[in-house]
Amino acid sequence: DAKTTQPNSMESNEEEPVHLPCNHSTISGTDYIHWYRQLPSQGPEYVIHGLTSNVNNRMASLAIAEDRKSSTLILHRATLRDAAVYYCIRGEAGGSYIPTFGRGTSLIVHP
Amino acid sequence: KAGVTQTPRYLIKTRGQQVTLSCSPISGHRSVSWYQQTPGQGLQFLFEYFSETQRNKGNFPGRFSGRQFSNSRSEMNVSTLELGDSALYLCASSLGGSGDTQYFGPGTRLTVL
Repeated sequence: DAKTTQPNSMESNEEEPVHLPCNHSTISGTDYIHWYRQLPSQGPEYVIHGLTSNVNNRMASLAIAEDRKSSTLILHRATLRDAAVYYCIRGEAGGSYIPTFGRGTSLIVHP
Repeated sequence: KAGVTQTPRYLIKTRGQQVTLSCSPISGHRSVSWYQQTPGQGLQFLFEYFSETQRNKGNFPGRFSGRQFSNSRSEMNVSTLELGDSALYLCASSLGGSGDTQYFGPGTRLTVL
């Protein structure tokens, strides 16, 4: 059970917006949605998380569908430094929590 | 605040040996999780420790074990190393609530010959 589904890869041009989708159709009402990214040769880093409302921070925005079965990570202006693997995972509040990262989406940014 | 630190950063061992990896979490974080990352299997959860107790465990054999000390620092041990244990081992810390945001260290690259 992958718990989240993401496209294997996406491409973008520098300075353009990027929308990275994630499906989490079995999400429960108290699960947060977390996004991480992993740059080459580094450990994953936190990007953003949310529960129900759309969220913004200095790195990105997170748009959560009204039924919470999907979400979209938005990079407003992609840079070459944003080339990374992006992971969407469910943060299950309470109980036994086994984080499942899946394969993530490899974002390629063209100059 | 200092980030998550892992030592050593690189390690080479031979089959049959054992290895111990160390992780120092962010100050104030009480949960430490360990992950194995390989090209074939991706990022897989090993186990999580909270307040010196193993709280969650992934699907790995008993050769993989860990512990957490009272200062929240954690160690991971792999006994009887196999070639397939070659991987990047990542440690992540969080405040401690289940599902909390995790902050990852740079990892330890283990090569088994």
